[in-house]
Amino acid sequence: SQTIHQWPATLVQPVGSPLSLECTVEGTSNPNLYWYRQAAGRGLQLLFYSVGIGQISSEVPQNLSASRPQDRQFILSSKKLLLSDSGFYLCAWSLRAYTGELFFGEGSRLTVL
Amino acid sequence: QKEVEQNSGPLSVPEGAIASLNCTYSDRGSQSFFWYRQYSGKSPELIMFIYSNGDKEDGRFTAQLNKASQYVSLLIRDSQPSDSATYLCAVANYGGSQGNLIFGKGTKLSVKP
Repeated sequence: SQTIHQWPATLVQPVGSPLSLECTVEGTSNPNLYWYRQAAGRGLQLLFYSVGIGQISSEVPQNLSASRPQDRQFILSSKKLLLSDSGFYLCAWSLRAYTGELFFGEGSRLTVL
Repeated sequence: QKEVEQNSGPLSVPEGAIASLNCTYSDRGSQSFFWYRQYSGKSPELIMFIYSNGDKEDGRFTAQLNKASQYVSLLIRDSQPSDSATYLCAVANYGGSQGNLIFGKGTKLSVKP
């Protein structure tokens, strides 16, 4: 069966510091991968998605970036965090592209101080 | 601006009752509709999806779709305290972009023993 893991689960970072969140999927190949953010009082916001290695689509202009160095690995990064980057970051995967049938990882809760 | 609206709640129902969760959407071209359950502090979990007008049943859950009224609902029969969670509605009109999957902010359901 397929599983998805992301880490770290919780982190507290100062403004201006870098960020790296990692996500891996097991039990499937060529997954479609996503990064979402859930901020307090807001719906899930798509940040990036990838339909294959090296293929990254960005949905929201911001100071974040994503990379997919391997088929089942997805990384979310920032060089300098802003207060507004605080939130619950969720990695997800799907079998098909352009679908709402998503399977989410455990999430990473980021607090920027 | 495409919108998905949900009553934030909390919706409180007694154990054994039917919980009715509602969602409206603004984009008439929407094609696919999803319900996710999110326990406090956890990641969302897909519980139902529906693509055609009418009802779709899965165990104690029934999804109802009315495209003419731009309305989708989730009924939970014989509600249990373990159903207490936030329920997210998601609506998609992909148009070639995963960004066209829009999530509502969710309705918090509380099932009282």
